[in-house]
Parts: sequence; structure tokens; C-alpha cells
Amino acid sequence: GESVGLHLPTLSVQEGDNSIINCAYSNSASDYFIWYKQESGKGPQFIIDIRSNMDKRQGQRVTVLLNKTVKHLSLQIAATQPGDSAVYFCAEANSNSGYALNFGKGTSLLVT
Amino acid sequence: NAGVTQTPKFQVLKTGQSMTLQCAQDMNHNSMYWYRQDPGMGLRLIYYSASEGTTDKGEVPNGYNVSRLNKREFSLRLESAAPSQTSVYFCASSYRDTTNEQFFGPGTRLTVL
Repeated sequence: GESVGLHLPTLSVQEGDNSIINCAYSNSASDYFIWYKQESGKGPQFIIDIRSNMDKRQGQRVTVLLNKTVKHLSLQIAATQPGDSAVYFCAEANSNSGYALNFGKGTSLLVT
Repeated sequence: NAGVTQTPKFQVLKTGQSMTLQCAQDMNHNSMYWYRQDPGMGLRLIYYSASEGTTDKGEVPNGYNVSRLNKREFSLRLESAAPSQTSVYFCASSYRDTTNEQFFGPGTRLTVL
């Protein structure tokens, strides 16, 4: 079946460095992508989303890049802070399935 | 504005017992969802309700039932709990129009012995 996966299960970065978290998807019909942050013991928290008609979107210290050609999504966090330590999930959706989110397994980001 | 609230926060059941997880949202969202999250895994959709009065199965519906009581409340019931249902359960809600930014509750940690 279709899947959303992450290249690396864990990522360790130093405070102040930029972080890049990658995500691959396989459903060519996906037209909406979203990143969530989940801190230990809490529910997922929305970070940023992007539609398939865009290739880049910026938020506060975060940028999402979408490459539809290779079905790849990335989340860039600038000047990573200790408070950014969490698990990050990408999810995809499409209008055919009523925008039901399909979550990947997550990448654990550790800021030292 | 409390967002999405869930009760209880923790629950321990014995195999075969039943229980209902409660969820409520005060954001006037149309759609509500129940997910489960197992250790080291992403979220898997159990059931969802696109609008008041409708419910649909997600990826892992077996062993669960849901009720969309009104626009605010969406409950998840385990009729006969099994150890495989040990998990953290999250409720979420959204407007679900041309995007689907979902807002999540704090979760219920369920252990079935």
C-alpha cells in the first residue's frame, strides 16, 4: 500500500545549528502535507503545512520543502534550540480520501 | 478556549473489560478523529467523523466502536479490551475543508493486562 516514511529515525544536532528532517512519500495523489512536533507525553502539535502546488513554505524558524518529482518532503529548523527536541512526524493527505492524514513513523530530534 | 480535551488521562483494564474514552472540542470543528500510537510508531487512524451524525472506519477499527454524540463530543468504546489494545489514544479535531490541520488532545494512556 501507499506509505509515508522517514529516512532517519534519530537526528542529533548541536544547539544553534540548522536541522533538516526528511520524509519520503509514495502516493502520487497526495496534495497536502503537514509536519507535526510531539514532545514526550503530549499530543502532536502542528508546525507547518504545504499544498502540492507549492514547493516551499516558510514559518517562524521553519521551512518546508516539497519535491514532487522525487516525492520528498523536508522540514528545516533554523538555529535549533533545546526546546526543539521532540519527535517530528510528516503526514500526507489527498482530496480523494477526504484529506484523511496518513502519518509517517517519526524522527526523534535531540538538541545537545 | 480549552481546545481538545480527553478523559481519562490514564487507565488500566483487565482483559475483557469495557470502557469508553471521552473527547470534546470547543473549536466548532466539523471533523473529529481517534488515533492510537504504539511505542516508536506514528499515529494510526481508528475511526473518524467527518461531520456530526457520520462516522467512518480508519486503518485499524477492529475492536472499537465510536459515537459522535454531538458536534463537540466524540467517544471511543472498547467493548472487550485485549492486551493488543494497550496504547496511547489521541483524539483530534479539524475543519477539514481543503486542508486538514488537526488539533490533538493530550492523550489517554491505556494498559490492558
